[in-house]
Amino acid sequence: EAEVAQSPRYKITEKSQAVAFWCDPISGHATLYWYRQILGQGPELLVQFQDESVVDDSQLPKDRFSAERLKGVDSTLKIQPAELGDSAMYLCASSRYASGGADEQFFGPGTRLTVL
Amino acid sequence: QQQVKQSPQSLIVQKGGISIINCAYENTAFDYFPWYQQFPGKGPALLIAIRPDVSEKKEGRFTISFNKSAKQFSLHIMDSQPGDSATYFCAAQGNDNNNDMRFGAGTRLTVKP
Repeated sequence: EAEVAQSPRYKITEKSQAVAFWCDPISGHATLYWYRQILGQGPELLVQFQDESVVDDSQLPKDRFSAERLKGVDSTLKIQPAELGDSAMYLCASSRYASGGADEQFFGPGTRLTVL
Repeated sequence: QQQVKQSPQSLIVQKGGISIINCAYENTAFDYFPWYQQFPGKGPALLIAIRPDVSEKKEGRFTISFNKSAKQFSLHIMDSQPGDSATYFCAAQGNDNNNDMRFGAGTRLTVKP
């Protein structure tokens, strides 16, 4: 069964350092999502891609966060510099169809970030 | 940003009992209501979903009840099993320009043997 892959699974960093997370969606899925999940809360969307284009980054703190999906396949989310409040689980999800309609999202296992 | 309110925050049920989790939403543009199940260390996985043209959907031991006029929906887990112990999230998504998936805060379910 195809799965969304994410790495690393765990990351510990000191504040002001740069961190990067990688996601490989299910093959053929057009839409890719990055979510942040704070402990005890539901996931919140950071950025949504359709193929290589950003369709929604309204909740992405652009002063420190960046995301790219250069070839419309895998994606990287970067934080520079990391702050204590960035400690959370970062989830990647993908869905088969182009955005604009409700479609099942498949989630990866997440990257748990701890900022010291 | 939370447009979906979920309760209770935690739930303890005896094996064989019924688990009920409730959600309420505000945005009438939402037209897709999934429930996700998340085990520790894993990403959420789709459990069951409903669209507002029906009032109930059942898949095995899992049932969604949907009340469009009250803007509420709930998950019922019949014959709850210890293996059902997980965190459950309701969510809602619209079919318009603002179609972000909005998640509830989650319910941690514990099924005691």
